[in-house]
Amino acid sequence: ETGVTQSPTHLIKTRGQQVTLRCSSQSGHNTVSWYQQALGQGPQFIFQYYREEENGRGNFPPRFSGLQFPNYSSELNVNALELDDSALYLCASSFGDNEQFFGPGTRLTVL
Amino acid sequence: QKEVEQNSGPLSVPEGAIASLNCTYSDRVSQSFFWYRQYSGKSPELIMSIYSNGDKEDGRFTAQLNKASQYVSLLIRDSQPSDSATYLCAVNQGAQKLVFGQGTRLTINP
Repeated sequence: ETGVTQSPTHLIKTRGQQVTLRCSSQSGHNTVSWYQQALGQGPQFIFQYYREEENGRGNFPPRFSGLQFPNYSSELNVNALELDDSALYLCASSFGDNEQFFGPGTRLTVL
Repeated sequence: QKEVEQNSGPLSVPEGAIASLNCTYSDRVSQSFFWYRQYSGKSPELIMSIYSNGDKEDGRFTAQLNKASQYVSLLIRDSQPSDSATYLCAVNQGAQKLVFGQGTRLTINP
C-alpha cells in the first residue's frame, strides 16, 4: 500500500510569486485535505477535495485554490505570495469522512 | 476561546512513567476525535481515534473521551524516550474539517 506523497519537499519563493504544491493520495483513498502549519502551531484547515470538487473550506483567502484529478491526486495553488505564507503545507488523504493520513509535507519559504 | 485547547507544555515525564495529555474542545456537536504525534521536522502521524464516550486502548496508548465535559485525553503507559514528540489533538467539526490544538510538547527523560 502506497502512502501519501507530496512534492516538492522544500521550496523558496519571493513575495508576489505563485506556487503549486502537489499531493498523491494513499491507495484506496478518494478525499484530499490541505492544511497549513506555521511554526509552533497546529495545522490549519485550508480546504478539502472530494470527487474533484471543493468540499469545505477554511478561513483562507481566494488566492489559495486547488484541484483534484480523476486519480484523486491534488494540487494546492497559492497566488501573490506573502511573507506570512511561509509554513509547512500538509496534504492528508482519507476515504470519505474517515481517518486522515498525512503526507510528509512541503516546506515553503517566502522571502 | 479557542476551538481546541491543549497545554503547550513542555511536559516532562520520566521513562517508564505514565504521560497524560489533555485537550478540551468548544463545539458540542463534534463526533470524531483524534490524536496525532509529530516529531520535530516531520508531519503528523495518526496514533489514536475515538468516537464514543469512554476509553479506547491500543497497546501502550489509551484515549479517553467525555463528550459531556467536552474533554479528550491521551495516556501513554511505560513512556519511552522515543515517545518524545509534540502531540496534537484534532476534532472533526463537520465537512470533514479537522480542527487542531496547538499541540503539547512531551519529553521523556531517561
